[in-house]
Amino acid sequence: EDKVVQSPLSLVVHEGDTVTLNCSYEVTNFRSLLWYKQEKKAPTFLFMLTSSGIEKKSGRLSSILDKKELFSILNITATQTGDSAVYLCAPAGNSGGSNYKLTFGKGTLLTVNP
Amino acid sequence: ETGVTQTPRHLVMGMTNKKSLKCEQHLGHNAMYWYKQSAKKPLELMFVYSLEERVENNSVPSRFSPECPNSSHLFLHLHTLQPEDSALYLCASSHQRGTQYFGPGTRLLVL
Repeated sequence: EDKVVQSPLSLVVHEGDTVTLNCSYEVTNFRSLLWYKQEKKAPTFLFMLTSSGIEKKSGRLSSILDKKELFSILNITATQTGDSAVYLCAPAGNSGGSNYKLTFGKGTLLTVNP
Repeated sequence: ETGVTQTPRHLVMGMTNKKSLKCEQHLGHNAMYWYKQSAKKPLELMFVYSLEERVENNSVPSRFSPECPNSSHLFLHLHTLQPEDSALYLCASSHQRGTQYFGPGTRLLVL
């Protein structure tokens, strides 16, 4: 059975802090790993990682994948109150056929206080 | 993000009612998905339609019935639901094996 573990489950920081969110996974026929940000509505896409060791960056956010250790991290530098959200990790695997499926972790609830 | 729309946004229904959730994507994608998000639980994949192939999570009860008439529209038909089915139901679409983009969701309450 596919498994995703995110840590920590929740985190409270002050504006300006840097945070690292962790995701470990076990999925059948791994293809890629996606990070999403979810506020009070639907998840919004952040990154898709397919290759090990290549950092992807978008502003203050960055992410990297380790396919050998089955692990990914999401870094947020100089956090702002608008970064407060649940961050979801979702590896994509293929258990047969032409489709793949995302398995979501429980998420990390990040709260950034002013 | 208006690429994936869902209606209704909120729905309250009794256990004997029949209702349908609708999802429409305007992104030219060829795969569509239904997810269930319950409080304090991970997002759970319910159904996938991709290039006319349907994949379903075997743990989804038969009181949920999907329909995908074409690559832009997806329905989830609901009948004789239980209170534990109350959740946020999210639709997503993608190019096959591509990034999934989510709709705003339908918040369902079963009384």
